[in-house]
Amino acid sequence: KAGVTQTPRYLIKTRGQQVTLSCSPISGHRSVSWYQQTPGQGLQFLFEYFSETQRNKGNFPGRFSGRQFSNSRSEMNVSTLELGDSALYLCASSPSWSSETQYFGPGTRLLVL
Amino acid sequence: AQSVSQHNHHVILSEAASLELGCNYSYGGTVNLFWYVQYPGQHLQLLLKYFSGDPLVKGIKGFEAEFIKSKFSFNLRKPSVQWSDTAEYFCAVNAGGQNFVFGPGTRLSVLP
Repeated sequence: KAGVTQTPRYLIKTRGQQVTLSCSPISGHRSVSWYQQTPGQGLQFLFEYFSETQRNKGNFPGRFSGRQFSNSRSEMNVSTLELGDSALYLCASSPSWSSETQYFGPGTRLLVL
Repeated sequence: AQSVSQHNHHVILSEAASLELGCNYSYGGTVNLFWYVQYPGQHLQLLLKYFSGDPLVKGIKGFEAEFIKSKFSFNLRKPSVQWSDTAEYFCAVNAGGQNFVFGPGTRLSVLP
């Protein structure tokens, strides 16, 4: 089985722009979670989607949003980018709810200038 | 809210030394516990997990972890580390259908 894939792998944006990141889960997995990883904060949970519904949401501002499609693929969007949004954004999938083992993708590294 | 702490930010060992990385969590109910590893330039991989049963769990590459419920701990151990174990190690907790909570990570450097 192919693993979790994320596109793009690298992205450079400027402040004020918006960005959309994509995640394709492992085939058959219905839950997708997103995390922000930074050297100072570690992995911070953004949100989780299951069957196209947001199940959990972390403590991030409304500029961060996401969605999940019927094929379980997920996107996250960050609007009005700030310098502090520079990070590695990780997507993880699991067969059902996030209580099961999560399998991580390689991440999208976002640099905001 | 759940939280996870890891005792050490950075651990430096020589090859063949024994390793123990501490992890403590705060949650009173039933938990699922995980250790993930991130090798340089690679994505997070599952090292081992505990859902129930024997509190001593064995993972890949000779790692094991012991769940001590009374201490809210899930420490990672390896009897003899290798240079290839150089990586960042993350403890994670999941409980009650809530999202995963990760610890801040421990960077392990193994000197050849």
